[in-house]
Amino acid sequence: NAGVMQNPRHLVRRRGQEARLRCSPMKGHSHVYWYRQLPEEGLKFMVYLQKENIIDESGMPKERFSAEFPKEGPSILRIQQVVRGDSAAYFCASSPQRTGTYEQYFGPGTRLTVT
Amino acid sequence: AQTVTQSQPEMSVQEAETVTLSCTYDTSESNYYLFWYKQPPSRQMILVIRQEAYKQQNATENRFSVNFQKAAKSFSLKISDSQLGDTAMYFCASAPPWYFGNEKLTFGTGTRLTIIP
Repeated sequence: NAGVMQNPRHLVRRRGQEARLRCSPMKGHSHVYWYRQLPEEGLKFMVYLQKENIIDESGMPKERFSAEFPKEGPSILRIQQVVRGDSAAYFCASSPQRTGTYEQYFGPGTRLTVT
Repeated sequence: AQTVTQSQPEMSVQEAETVTLSCTYDTSESNYYLFWYKQPPSRQMILVIRQEAYKQQNATENRFSVNFQKAAKSFSLKISDSQLGDTAMYFCASAPPWYFGNEKLTFGTGTRLTIIP
């Protein structure tokens, strides 16, 4: 059973471009969480999605950021018109369901660098 | 809202010794979950240990154990017989009760642990 996949692992964008980060959850997992880790900081929650639904986006900046988890395919975190402050590592974690077991499996992360 | 505080930015210890990492948290809920995650240089987040707040017994996983003091809202991690592979950033985290319908994690700022050969 493959783990959580994220791609690309490294992404370089110039200011003003768009960044698309992909997360393929583990097989059978229907819940995805996105977290951002700024340099030398802990991870901060951004958004929680289930298939075709955004459950909690309280950690997502109001502008330029969006996320989706379609019925088929990976979850996508999209950042429009990137700025230098968006440079960070973005992690996704998947879990099978809301069982109360709190099993979140993390992907390896995507390191976004904005030049 | 939950908050997690780690007051030790860096620690180092000789190989084979025991080290304790501190963590305090704040929550208004009576039931919640606490975690320690390890992030080695590869940056992969690895779950080390998990504690359910309603359980009195401290969780243990091989060389890793916690000291959970609910009244003091303290959740420290003890690593016994430390090994070079334990060198990593360690993050304390909390999650709300399951009936919130959301298991999002709140992380502390981390402790960078270095095991010295």
